[in-house]
Amino acid sequence: AQKITQTQPGMFVQEKEAVTLDCTYDTSDQSYGLFWYKQPSSGEMIFLIYQGSYDEQNATEGRYSLNFQKARKSANLVISASQLGDSAMYFCAMRGYGGATNKLIFGTGTLLAVQP
Amino acid sequence: DAGVTQSPTHLIKTRGQQVTLRCSPKSGHDTVSWYQQALGQGPQFIFQYYEEEERQRGNFPDRFSGHQFPNYSSELNVNALLLGDSALYLCASKSGFSTDTQYFGPGTRLTVL
Repeated sequence: AQKITQTQPGMFVQEKEAVTLDCTYDTSDQSYGLFWYKQPSSGEMIFLIYQGSYDEQNATEGRYSLNFQKARKSANLVISASQLGDSAMYFCAMRGYGGATNKLIFGTGTLLAVQP
Repeated sequence: DAGVTQSPTHLIKTRGQQVTLRCSPKSGHDTVSWYQQALGQGPQFIFQYYEEEERQRGNFPDRFSGHQFPNYSSELNVNALLLGDSALYLCASKSGFSTDTQYFGPGTRLTVL
């Protein structure tokens, strides 16, 4: 079965510092996609970054980068230069079985608090 | 460019009632998925609609049903509500059945008393 594990229930970081949120995954598929979403207290899930299993380069989107280590089955999110507005819940997710199915499997999330 | 919209924002129902939640996908998107997010948990996949058909379903009972209209908007219906159905219901859309990235709406928070 496919599974996403986020072992950090909560994290603190000082404003302007970098922070790494951990994510490990389990799948027997050769082709899969990994995602990070941000969920502020308002509830909306905001897409941050995507990494395909065959992508050779780590994905980057502005201050977000995904540290993809395929052999270790990890897909950690790195946020550089943290801002107060980064305080939110962060979810790691994986696309489900096969290329034509689109179910997202989510982890339990990490609550990030950015301190001034 | 309008994002995914959902209505209503909040809803309070009592046990045994039925509820309908609505979702309009992001402009240009034709595939809609529904997720249930219980408090303190990650979202759980309910089902996905593409070309007005249910294409994939998660581990949810038949009390949960849906529909997709020709304009790609979608409804989630839940019958015989239970206290455990209280959750944030999220709709996500994307363009094309085989593409990856799904974009979520703000959700409907359902409370069952």
